[in-house]
Amino acid sequence: EIVLTQSPDTLSLSPGERAALSCRASQSIGSSLAWYQHKPDQAPTLVIYGTSTRATGVPDRFSGSGSGTDFTLTISRLEPEDFAVYYCQQSSRSPTFGQGTKLEIK
Amino acid sequence: VQLQQSGPGLVKPAQTLSLTCSVSGRAITSRGYFWTWIRQLPGKGLEWIAYTYYTGNTDSNPSLENRVTISLDPSKNQFSLELTSVTAADTAVYYCATADNSPSHTFDIWGQGTKVAVSS
Repeated sequence: EIVLTQSPDTLSLSPGERAALSCRASQSIGSSLAWYQHKPDQAPTLVIYGTSTRATGVPDRFSGSGSGTDFTLTISRLEPEDFAVYYCQQSSRSPTFGQGTKLEIK
Repeated sequence: VQLQQSGPGLVKPAQTLSLTCSVSGRAITSRGYFWTWIRQLPGKGLEWIAYTYYTGNTDSNPSLENRVTISLDPSKNQFSLELTSVTAADTAVYYCATADNSPSHTFDIWGQGTKVAVSS
């Protein structure tokens, strides 16, 4: 099983600031990494797939980077609706998710 | 593509949890598509449970110790999850999911979620 470790567990920022969320894989997964946004009482939504491709309708303030074992989701200027839990997920083998990073308003 | 889940919100310990995901907008036997179940345990993250390929081939999370059955019903355009011998540790929100405009095993389409409690 490929283990994904996200950091930090919680990130406290203000609207307008830049957020950088990290995801590290226990072995190389190439570019097979996705990011999801999850808000309470809603289903998760896909933000990024293939490391850096934005899903349909995702604003361009969201970007993804990395390869192999180290990946980053960057939100360039936080909007109030961006505060949520973010999960990374690998699709290189049987799917696994990271434990999540809670992005909260400072 | 849209996914609509159905199934009970309460299951007794040691019984079988059964959920169904009805698919609209695509035939579940469409070539190349996977149909997946994922859950969120209380206060924890997301956990992949199992998937079925359009051919009926399946794979499941080893941590669930062979308690999982996932199946397709092309006549109803549905796929289903059965989880046997449930305990309180299986209390979770269960989601069905698939890829429509994203690569296989990434999930841009989700069901609405079913909150399942295991309790007597």
